[in-house]
Amino acid sequence: EDKVVQSPLSLVVHEGDTVTLNCSYEVTNFRSLLWYKQEKKAPTFLFMLTSSGIEKKSGRLSSILDKKELFSILNITATQTGDSAVYLCAGGAQKLVFGQGTRLTINP
Amino acid sequence: DTAVSQTPKYLVTQMGNDKSIKCEQNLGHDTMYWYKQDSKKFLKIMFSYNNKELIINETVPNRFSPKSPDKAHLNLHINSLELGDSAVYFCASSWGDTQYFGPGTRLTVL
Repeated sequence: EDKVVQSPLSLVVHEGDTVTLNCSYEVTNFRSLLWYKQEKKAPTFLFMLTSSGIEKKSGRLSSILDKKELFSILNITATQTGDSAVYLCAGGAQKLVFGQGTRLTINP
Repeated sequence: DTAVSQTPKYLVTQMGNDKSIKCEQNLGHDTMYWYKQDSKKFLKIMFSYNNKELIINETVPNRFSPKSPDKAHLNLHINSLELGDSAVYFCASSWGDTQYFGPGTRLTVL
């Protein structure tokens, strides 16, 4: 059965810290790994990764995919309280399998 | 100019009732989806349509019936609502593998 596992499930840090969120996947029909940020409402798209070893960056956020070891990480540097959210990763192709999310809390 | 919109945002109803949730996207995407997110935040795909044709149909009770009148709309009708149907239902549309989500409909069955 396809599965995506994220760790940690919950993380509390202080503003300014750097965090690393993990995502491992076992998905039969795999083409892409996606990261989403979910605050109170809809998941909002962060990154899509399809190639191994190529880092994607957007401001303080970056992500990389390892297709050999079947995992991805999402890094957030110099965290801010606005980064507090649930971060979801998903793997697949047209059909995405989602992980259970990492709840990140940034304390001032 | 909302990209993916859903109505209603909140739905509170009694067990046994029938209800519908509507979804529309103005992104020009060919593929649309319905997801259910439970209280533990797990997002699970229910259905997907590509150009009005059903392409993904997960193990969902047949009380749930999606309908796509055109590629910009995907509605979800639920018959004989049960307590376990209480969740947030998200519509999404995609270009390639990247999916864009609507704001969600919080369904509460009493």
